[in-house]
Amino acid sequence: AQKITQTQPGMFVQEKEAVTLDCTYDTSDPSYGLFWYKQPSSGEMIFLIYQGSYDQQNATEGRYSLNFQKARKSANLVISASQLGDSAMYFCAMTPQGGNQFYFGTGTSLTVIP
Amino acid sequence: GAGVSQSPSNKVTEKGKDVELRCDPISGHTALYWYRQSLGQGLEFLIYFQGNSAPDKSGLPSDRFSAERTGGSVSTLTIQRTQQEDSAVYLCASTPTGYLAKNIQYFGAGTRLSVL
Repeated sequence: AQKITQTQPGMFVQEKEAVTLDCTYDTSDPSYGLFWYKQPSSGEMIFLIYQGSYDQQNATEGRYSLNFQKARKSANLVISASQLGDSAMYFCAMTPQGGNQFYFGTGTSLTVIP
Repeated sequence: GAGVSQSPSNKVTEKGKDVELRCDPISGHTALYWYRQSLGQGLEFLIYFQGNSAPDKSGLPSDRFSAERTGGSVSTLTIQRTQQEDSAVYLCASTPTGYLAKNIQYFGAGTRLSVL
């Protein structure tokens, strides 16, 4: 069974500081993809970053980077230089290669403090 | 627009009534997903369509829920005899294909359903 765990229901970070949002996963599939999505108060889910299980390097997209530790089955999201607009819910998700379903964590609410 | 479109954005209905929620995916995307998100919760998978294949209905919570996708494009999620526990935001997402691990989902803004 696939499972995504986000253990931080809420996080606070000072503006311009970096923050790490935790995500661990459980799968027996040898190949899979990991995703992070942002959900602002408007409700729309916004894709942030992708990491393939066989990618040799950690993914980066602007201020977002993914700290991928395959042996630990963790895929933490790092946001550098936090901005007020980063305040939102953040969801970690996984899909197995060739699979139909995406499995989402319960999310982390991030609040950026001015 | 080029994104996933959902309608209505808000729906208020009385317990026992049927509702239809619509999703118009990104043109050319072959895969379409429906999710339910209850207040403060993560996303609960409901159903998945891939091209002309039989849909994966394994996430539908009861036989009151059904969905169809006409012509491989627009999808309608129908909830019959609505109950108060059906109140949630229903999100639709589409992807270019269903067969790759790097399969970015593009989401609509959702339909907020309130059952009184």
